Amino acid sequence: SQQGEEDPQALSIQEGENATMNCSYKTSINNLQWYRQNSGRGLVHLILIRSNEREKHSGRLRVTLDTSKKSSSLLITASRAADTASYFCATFIIQGAQKLVFGQGTRLTINP
Amino acid sequence: DVKVTQSSRYLVKRTGEKVFLECVQDMDHENMFWYRQDPGLGLRLIYFSYDVKMKEKGDIPEGYSVSREKKERFSLILESASTNQTSMYLCASSSVKGGYKEQYFGPGTRLTVT
Repeated sequence: SQQGEEDPQALSIQEGENATMNCSYKTSINNLQWYRQNSGRGLVHLILIRSNEREKHSGRLRVTLDTSKKSSSLLITASRAADTASYFCATFIIQGAQKLVFGQGTRLTINP
Repeated sequence: DVKVTQSSRYLVKRTGEKVFLECVQDMDHENMFWYRQDPGLGLRLIYFSYDVKMKEKGDIPEGYSVSREKKERFSLILESASTNQTSMYLCASSSVKGGYKEQYFGPGTRLTVT
């Protein structure tokens, strides 16, 4: 499996509900980032959490990081139709060539 | 706001043609990256550059080359386009200052090779 795997691959919920996406990774990281991609567009950076942080908030976004389990979750509260997009976690690895490694993404659909 | 622009949103080329994809960023970022994105495979790093005239191979450099003659511009070159290079190409930039590694992406170029 790849560094940075999201779960689930697709998620469909009703507007107003909370959406939770998970990310697992394999190697030691400096930080973990979440990005959003609207259909056919570039990625937009949402939030970065460092390896020594456990939780971070930004507006309706809440990210947690558990380095012992090598996992992270992204929670979007009170979802809106505009949140419909693909969400990617990306880990900044510190072994070998330092680089950002992206997962395959979770496709989130918010139904009105 | 950081702005990353790519020369084309859509591009159609024939097999064997030489293809240039241009990327420009306006925030004086040191680092620039080229990715390709394919369904089921996510984003894969092709090449990156930490400084002018410097380049490093990413995970899938075969069939590609890059050029960075100016700090703000990073070009991806397909020497002889092939159908398996049909993909979405994304350029990104980031600054090493402040220790942040968040990347700013351009809108992408959807390349079709026929």
